[in-house]
Amino acid sequence: GENVEQHPSTLSVQEGDSAVIKCTYSDSASNYFPWYKQELGKGPQLIIDIRSNVGEKKDQRIAVTLNKTAKHFSLHITETQPEDSAVYFCAASNRGGADGLTFGKGTHLIIQP
Amino acid sequence: ETGVTQSPTHLIKTRGQQVTLRCSSQSGHNTVSWYQQALGQGPQFIFQYYREEENGRGNFPPRFSGLQFPNYSSELNVNALELDDSALYLCASSPGLSYEQYFGPGTRLTVT
Repeated sequence: GENVEQHPSTLSVQEGDSAVIKCTYSDSASNYFPWYKQELGKGPQLIIDIRSNVGEKKDQRIAVTLNKTAKHFSLHITETQPEDSAVYFCAASNRGGADGLTFGKGTHLIIQP
Repeated sequence: ETGVTQSPTHLIKTRGQQVTLRCSSQSGHNTVSWYQQALGQGPQFIFQYYREEENGRGNFPPRFSGLQFPNYSSELNVNALELDDSALYLCASSPGLSYEQYFGPGTRLTVT
């Protein structure tokens, strides 16, 4: 089955700086790659996603890049703000979700004031 | 538009007991997936229901079972609870068989 590795496990950045979180996946059949933000005591919130036919997608301060050949994808957050502090999860899926999303172990992003 | 809701918020059970968790999908969504999230880990896929039928299942034993109702709400049932079943149980809904999944706040289950 699919295996998703996520790095780093903890990332501390100064407010206003950029943050990058990286993931690799094992199943070349995976074709959908979402990113979720989970705040304490809440469920994961979908923040951005990308399909395998696209190399990059951007939404305001966040962007995701995908390298299908290398089987890795990354989340980029620019101009970080205190409210960006949370745990971020990457995930991968194929078969339209019937096999579910396979998640990484998460990255705890800490924004230092 | 109402998001995904789950009940109860917290639950404490004893080893060997049975538990039922409930989920109401987001308006317009007819697919529900359930996940187990252990402390400090990413969510793990349990199963997915589409039009009241199980549409996919992860690597969980048969004592984890589910139902989906005509109004697309869903239940997760766990029999013969074990200490390792202590986790946050998340429900996610999707419009049809689309890839996007939207999560509820979860039910925190503690097994003692």
